[in-house]
Amino acid sequence: QSVLTQPPSVSAAPGQKVTISCSGSSSNIGNNYVSWYQQLPGTAPKLLIYDNSKRPSGIPDRFSGSKSGTSATLDITGLQTGDEADYYCGTWDSSLSAWVFGGGIKVTVL
Amino acid sequence: QVQLQESGPGLVKPSETLSLTCTVSGGSTNNYWWSWIRQPAGKGLEWIGRIYSTGSTNYNPSLRSRVTLSVDTSKHQSSLKLISVTAADTAVYYCAREIPAAPPTYFYFMDVWGKGTMVTVS
Repeated sequence: QSVLTQPPSVSAAPGQKVTISCSGSSSNIGNNYVSWYQQLPGTAPKLLIYDNSKRPSGIPDRFSGSKSGTSATLDITGLQTGDEADYYCGTWDSSLSAWVFGGGIKVTVL
Repeated sequence: QVQLQESGPGLVKPSETLSLTCTVSGGSTNNYWWSWIRQPAGKGLEWIGRIYSTGSTNYNPSLRSRVTLSVDTSKHQSSLKLISVTAADTAVYYCAREIPAAPPTYFYFMDVWGKGTMVTVS
């Protein structure tokens, strides 16, 4: 059971928008910053978003993040077949003194 | 560009010790946190622990009793030792660099990951 909660899957047609949620508590998301990681099939995770909403260089603005209270959200607009992947949220948990991740959500492009 | 490469035995016997090394190329290990994360087949990411270049550590409470991390800045390497392994420790093991965001947050995130190495306990 992951400390952060993500739905297991979401799907949408190409060009559509998907919203991915990540729910935590005051000891993690509520008082720290969230990062998001994309894991394409058979590859290592890759940084997508940090500090809740900032994109590293090279990440298209189709990917955006936000946070409200103890939940964070990743939006993917203009969905492409290349976006099919697992997406993980992660942050520091101040009570555990440990990094915690969501269970991951599988995005399927129909 | 910084690259990370995990290395070590791909097969470990039950009750023995799993030992892995993460080698950093194109950069230094100084002034960074180095995290280890694992992923069983078909499952999510599990954070194992991290070590700063000075030797400070944090561990996953569920693994703390069995894990030791070390760092050798002269060799640009971080190492993981996991004792008394069982089949439940079978996973792909990743190392990742943590860097702080720019002001005002300075919050850490994992910006570079290794490709991972598969370890089977059997």
